[in-house]
Amino acid sequence: EIVLTQSPATLSLSPGERATLSCRASQSVSSYLAWYQQKPGQAPRLLIYDASNRATGIPGRFSGSGSGTDFTLTISSLEPEDFAVYYCQLRSNWPLMYTFGQGTKLEIK
Amino acid sequence: QVQLVQSGAEVKKPGASVKVSCKASGYTFIDYFMHWVRQAPGQGPEWMGWINPNSGVTNYAQKFQGRVTLTRDTSISTAYMELSSLRSDDTAVYYCARDLLSTVIPDYWFDPWGQGTLVTVSS
Repeated sequence: EIVLTQSPATLSLSPGERATLSCRASQSVSSYLAWYQQKPGQAPRLLIYDASNRATGIPGRFSGSGSGTDFTLTISSLEPEDFAVYYCQLRSNWPLMYTFGQGTKLEIK
Repeated sequence: QVQLVQSGAEVKKPGASVKVSCKASGYTFIDYFMHWVRQAPGQGPEWMGWINPNSGVTNYAQKFQGRVTLTRDTSISTAYMELSSLRSDDTAVYYCARDLLSTVIPDYWFDPWGQGTLVTVSS
């Protein structure tokens, strides 16, 4: 089973700053990684899929990079609405299952 | 617009079963796999299984094998998740989530998601 490790657990930044979130897989997943944003009381929302493709309607300040085992979600200039919890996610084929990381909480400094 | 609307919160006793519904609109229901994901308080999401609404074929995470049943009613574009033998650690928000893409095999990603259904298991 592939394990996803996200870091840091909590990231404290101010609006306008750049955020860099990390997700590491326990074995190579090629580019099959996604990022989701979750605000309190809401369902997760897909931001990035296939490591670097923005989902429909996602602002350009969100970008994803990486392949293999190391992935990064970057928010170029934080807006007040970006403070939330972010999860990475992958699908493994043998056995077929979907795995989420434990999340990074992005909080206002 | 594509929308998934789930049934309301439930409170159940240990050992009971719960059935959550997910009504889809804004797209052709049978064209996209539907997944169920749960999230315990303060935890990351956990995938439970998927159903192919066209064929009814299902696949469950090993952890939930024997306790979860996914079904659908294509006449009303609704998917269902039933979890039996409930325990206190099944207390969580349960989500349905559609495949991002319409493909003949399950996609890698989930979009959109339902609003979630809180299931509380307590004696």
